[in-house]
Amino acid sequence: GNSVTQMEGPVTLSEEAFLTINCTYTATGYPSLFWYVQYPGEGLQLLLKATKADDKGSNKGFEATYRKETTSFHLEKGSVQVSDSAVYFCALILYNNNDMRFGAGTRLTVKP
Amino acid sequence: ETGVTQSPTHLIKTRGQQVTLRCSSQSGHNTVSWYQQALGQGPQFIFQYYREEENGRGNFPPRFSGLQFPKYSSELNVNALELDDSALYLCASSYGTGGGYEQYFGPGTRLTVT
Repeated sequence: GNSVTQMEGPVTLSEEAFLTINCTYTATGYPSLFWYVQYPGEGLQLLLKATKADDKGSNKGFEATYRKETTSFHLEKGSVQVSDSAVYFCALILYNNNDMRFGAGTRLTVKP
Repeated sequence: ETGVTQSPTHLIKTRGQQVTLRCSSQSGHNTVSWYQQALGQGPQFIFQYYREEENGRGNFPPRFSGLQFPKYSSELNVNALELDDSALYLCASSYGTGGGYEQYFGPGTRLTVT
């Protein structure tokens, strides 16, 4: 089946540290991949996406590259800020499917 | 352009009762999907409605049902509530179905079943 496995949290970093949150996927077809962010008390916001192999999604200093050979879509940011504290979800959906599959989420806390 | 809104924000129900959650989609979106997010977990797909017809369903029992109305409103109904139904319920709207369309999420309704 289709599924996403992401790095367990919580992750605690100091401001300006480098962030990596690992995400790997299993899919029967050719998925689009997403990172969503959820701030406390809010719904999910799309952070970035990639729709084909070797695509790099980027937004607000975050990046992730669609790696078909390793079935991965790791999230990175070079210098995190306190305002980046949130829960991050990796997700996939097949082009002709309606069932978006999410990972369990990784809680990031950035300390000043 | 208005975003996706949901009501109520919070709700407390007793086991065995029925509940209706509401969603107002973004203008122009003809597709709405509903997700259940248990505490500490990622969202799980319940079902999707496209042009007022169910268009795909996840692994949820029939007591979870939905409706989509003209003018961008929709409902999620849950009958015979169980304690495990306690969760954050998210709706997401999009311009179309399938992975090619970005889903825009609402803030969710927190349901507590006692």
